[in-house]
Amino acid sequence: NAGVTQTPKFQVLKTGQSMTLQCAQDMNHEYMSWYRQDPGMGLRLIHYSVGAGITDQGEVPNGYNVSRSTTEDFPLRLLSAAPSQTSVYFCASKQAGVTDTQYFGPGTRLTVL
Amino acid sequence: KQEVTQIPAALSVPEGENLVLNCSFTDSAIYNLQWFRQDPGKGLTSLLLIQSSQREQTSGRLNASLDKSSGRSTLYIAASQPGDSATYLCAVRGNQAGTALIFGKGTTLSVSS
Repeated sequence: NAGVTQTPKFQVLKTGQSMTLQCAQDMNHEYMSWYRQDPGMGLRLIHYSVGAGITDQGEVPNGYNVSRSTTEDFPLRLLSAAPSQTSVYFCASKQAGVTDTQYFGPGTRLTVL
Repeated sequence: KQEVTQIPAALSVPEGENLVLNCSFTDSAIYNLQWFRQDPGKGLTSLLLIQSSQREQTSGRLNASLDKSSGRSTLYIAASQPGDSATYLCAVRGNQAGTALIFGKGTTLSVSS
């Protein structure tokens, strides 16, 4: 049981490039989400999904796309990277419902030059 | 809009001291509150989750309390150890759609030997 895994761990992009951050979980969790963590800002929700085929926006969705074709995977796509997207990105998962513990991946540190 | 505040932002204590970390939230309509630990460069590890109907939860040397009506939670760490050095994050889950976690900015704890 690997829990929540994220790849890559580090990435450097140039402004305007696109890329996909990968997230997978093997706990059969229905709810998955992406957060970004910035100094002095705390963690902020980007997008979330309550099940395969269902996604919705969080607090800071602009510049990011997501899809959920399987229960296990929830990739985050940066369409045209900007320096403001330099951050640490965390993927998380939990069972459906509001009473359950949320589990986080190890994070992806992204730098956009 | 829910806001979560953690005080103090940083705390340094000698080994063996008992300490309290504080978390406050502006909207008492929450389903649960979760305390996380984050080590430098790492992801988040869930420590304790308190449901809105509960007053406290305990795990080993950690005790978390919740006073929903006053919008406050405390994390009590007994007999602190250098290994407790980390950033501690408080997050609340509201009853709005998306069940997003709203995070505080954290308290960075340093325990010296």
